[in-house]
Amino acid sequence: GAVVSQHPSWVICKSGTSVKIECRSLDFQATTMFWYRQFPKQSLMLMATSNEGSKATYEQGVEKDKFLINHASLTLSTLTVTSAHPEDSSFYICSAQEGMYEQYFGPGTRLTVT
Amino acid sequence: KQEVTQIPAALSVPEGENLVLNCSFTDSAIYNLQWFRQDPGKGLTSLLLIQSSQREQTSGRLNASLDKSSGRSTLYIAASQPGDSATYLCAVSGNTPLVFGKGTRLSVIA
Repeated sequence: GAVVSQHPSWVICKSGTSVKIECRSLDFQATTMFWYRQFPKQSLMLMATSNEGSKATYEQGVEKDKFLINHASLTLSTLTVTSAHPEDSSFYICSAQEGMYEQYFGPGTRLTVT
Repeated sequence: KQEVTQIPAALSVPEGENLVLNCSFTDSAIYNLQWFRQDPGKGLTSLLLIQSSQREQTSGRLNASLDKSSGRSTLYIAASQPGDSATYLCAVSGNTPLVFGKGTRLSVIA
């Protein structure tokens, strides 16, 4: 089946710094990638949808200047959390989709901001 | 706005028991419905995907049904095992990207 990887799997950073998370589709071309955030014992909440070569579409309440998304190629999307604060600590999961087919999910990245 | 609800929020059963997890959604205009498994601190594993034109899908001990008109789906797990312990998430896709329920935390006791 289709494989999506995320890097890093976990990261600890200091408040005020920026962190970049990568999402890669390993064996298919992802025309669309999605970024989700999951707080403990909560469900996945969609943050943004990105299509290759165009600007991401952010969900209501998600600050686009804080969560920078770049989908520069059909196999790579990045999420940069800028000026991170402790409340940004969460589990970030990406998914990738080729056309209108099934979404395939990455293993997630645990971000802890101290 | 699509909303997905899963009942129960948590479930504990003895090994070997058959069980049913429930999922309901408010907008029946969906393309498909998926059931996922999530282990603690891990990503999602897709279990079953049911297209809107289908009524059920089966994989091993798992069977998922879909009643689109009533906005309901069930995930049936036969002969549960301790290894089935995880959180089970239901998600629907329609005119918007996948919308997830909060999940059911299942514990199967040996």
